[in-house]
Amino acid sequence: DIQMTQSPSTLSASVGDRVTITCRASQSINSWLAWYQQKPGKAPKLLIYKASSLESGVPSRFSGSGSGTEFTLTISSLQPDDFATYYCQQYNSYSWTFGQGTKVEIK
Amino acid sequence: EVQVVESGGGLIQPGGSLRLSCAASGFTVSSDYMSWVRQAPGKGLEWVSIIYSGGSTYYADSVKGRFTISRDNSKNTLYLQMNSLRAEDTAVYYCARDRRKETIFEGMDVWGKGTTVTVSS
Repeated sequence: DIQMTQSPSTLSASVGDRVTITCRASQSINSWLAWYQQKPGKAPKLLIYKASSLESGVPSRFSGSGSGTEFTLTISSLQPDDFATYYCQQYNSYSWTFGQGTKVEIK
Repeated sequence: EVQVVESGGGLIQPGGSLRLSCAASGFTVSSDYMSWVRQAPGKGLEWVSIIYSGGSTYYADSVKGRFTISRDNSKNTLYLQMNSLRAEDTAVYYCARDRRKETIFEGMDVWGKGTTVTVSS
């Protein structure tokens, strides 16, 4: 099975900061990666698909990049509504896998 | 409005069985790929199972042989039959649509609020 490793596990940042989260796959997944945002007690929300395609309705401060085994999610200017946990997900095989999550906290 | 609503969760003893339901509206379950994803208390997301529009099914190793995904096209509803339940199956179970453009996966774009399954004696 393909393993997904996110870093960091926790990130402390301030409003207005540029934030980058990394996701590494244990083998190449081409560009078959999605990013989700989850707030406490809520369902995940799709942000990015195919590594870099912005989901409709998602603010343009969110962006994704990468291919193969290394991917990043960037928030260009952190807003109060962005404090949440972020997950990457691979779907290059018949066993979809999520990363362990990155919690973005207020500094 | 496109949405899914899960139901069927509850408290069940180890070794017991439970069937979760996911009622969809605004789209057709049989025309889409549908997944179950779970989240144990305080933990991350874990993909559980998927059913393709063509009917093929796949499972995480952790549930293979114990869980069965299915759908009722007439009710536009997805199911997850869970047998031989274990304490480690305790989680919030989400139903989600795997959006596809032709066969290209575009992420899980529709999620329900989840239903809680607690396996305990």
